[in-house]
Amino acid sequence: NAGVTQTPKFQVLKTGQSMTLQCAQDMNHEYMSWYRQDPGMGLRLIHYSVGAGITDQGEVPNGYNVSRSTTEDFPLRLLSAAPSQTSVYFCASSYSIIGTAANYGYTFGSGTRLTVV
Amino acid sequence: AQSVTQLDSHVSVSEGTPVLLRCNYSSSYSPSLFWYVQHPNKGLQLLLKYTSAATLVKGINGFEAEFKKSETSFHLTKPSAHMSDAAEYFCVAPTQTGANNLFFGTGTRLTVIP
Repeated sequence: NAGVTQTPKFQVLKTGQSMTLQCAQDMNHEYMSWYRQDPGMGLRLIHYSVGAGITDQGEVPNGYNVSRSTTEDFPLRLLSAAPSQTSVYFCASSYSIIGTAANYGYTFGSGTRLTVV
Repeated sequence: AQSVTQLDSHVSVSEGTPVLLRCNYSSSYSPSLFWYVQHPNKGLQLLLKYTSAATLVKGINGFEAEFKKSETSFHLTKPSAHMSDAAEYFCVAPTQTGANNLFFGTGTRLTVIP
């Protein structure tokens, strides 16, 4: 099935551990992004990419790294997990023509629930 | 840049009664606006989108929203609530920062009472 696939669905980490959240899409979308969802705060943009080899920071990038070596994959890395990074993480993709999110919309993954203890 | 404000964090309605979820936007020009729904422990699904074509936008599952420029509002409505409508709803706008980034409202949790 076409769409955005996120793995794992659930993860528990200890403070200071590192891990990578995986995101893959098979729709040939140039644009991909990572959001975190916290109660009462909606979704906030962490990092985004408008194409392979191009990434940029969003609203809350601290503590996270990304890379985009292929069009299909956009992994999110936590280098040293902190309890403040306990959240639900969503990956999304879209066609990348600037300003056309309204026309093409987004496809979201089903999310990764991360707990840092 | 665009932003949105959802006026209610929680709305509770009885099954069969109308639903109104409120959203105001701020933009220096005619915006694009979306409503997304998130059912418990699920991802996000697009309900409807406004792209300047028509002020009354119809979406899935009987929802609709009306863009009112004079009131800077984009409220979501449904004539008759169903138990399956219980979910969190997000009003969303592109940030217009040069990429396809989205700005999410803080969400409104809809409870439907049987």
